[in-house]
Amino acid sequence: EVQLVESGGGLVQPGGSLRLSCAASGFTFSRYWMHWVRQAPGKGLVWVSHINNDGSTTNYADSVKGRFTISRDNAKNTLFLQMNSLRAEDTAVYYCARSSSGYHFPFDYWGQGALVTVSS
Amino acid sequence: QSVLTQPPSVSGAPGQRVTISCTGSISNIGAAYDVHWYQQLPGTAPKLLVDGTSNRPSGVPDRFSGSKSGTSASLAITGLQAEDEADYYCQSFDSSLTTWVFGGGTKLTVL
Repeated sequence: EVQLVESGGGLVQPGGSLRLSCAASGFTFSRYWMHWVRQAPGKGLVWVSHINNDGSTTNYADSVKGRFTISRDNAKNTLFLQMNSLRAEDTAVYYCARSSSGYHFPFDYWGQGALVTVSS
Repeated sequence: QSVLTQPPSVSGAPGQRVTISCTGSISNIGAAYDVHWYQQLPGTAPKLLVDGTSNRPSGVPDRFSGSKSGTSASLAITGLQAEDEADYYCQSFDSSLTTWVFGGGTKLTVL
């Protein structure tokens, strides 16, 4: 059974940092692209970042470029999102999601989400 | 402002058919990138409902179907049931932005 489990969310002050993790199981992690998608309270889904199979290619939404860094450890089947210089508008539930390798493929499995709250 | 445009809400009575539209542009849906649909039940994570090739994951009833034409796509739900009440999102890839994009979401109310 495919499982994605996020951790690392919490309350952080503006300007602070947080690192999210996504533990994957039930599939060959190194064969898939991975993504982070966020959802602010009461709002819609927003794609945040992508990383390819071996971690050599990454993409970011303009709103987080230069502040967030996506990475992966294929040996430990884990995806990460390092979030620096956090702002109030980064407050959201952050989901990790899987897709096959290619731009056409859907996000076929999602984690349960990790809540990040940026507030003083 | 989402790159893909969806109506904020739709509604229908049990047993009826409803459609949810998703309007994009020549750099996403019109560029032949697939459009995928997700269902998000209250308080839960999104789940894939219908993919761009009209495939449904195991367990998704065939009451749900997707279609695409030009720069728009649609999700059709037939035989509406109370448990279909949820938020629905379309998603594609945008070649100009080089990012994945979502619609703003549509809340389906079963009357």
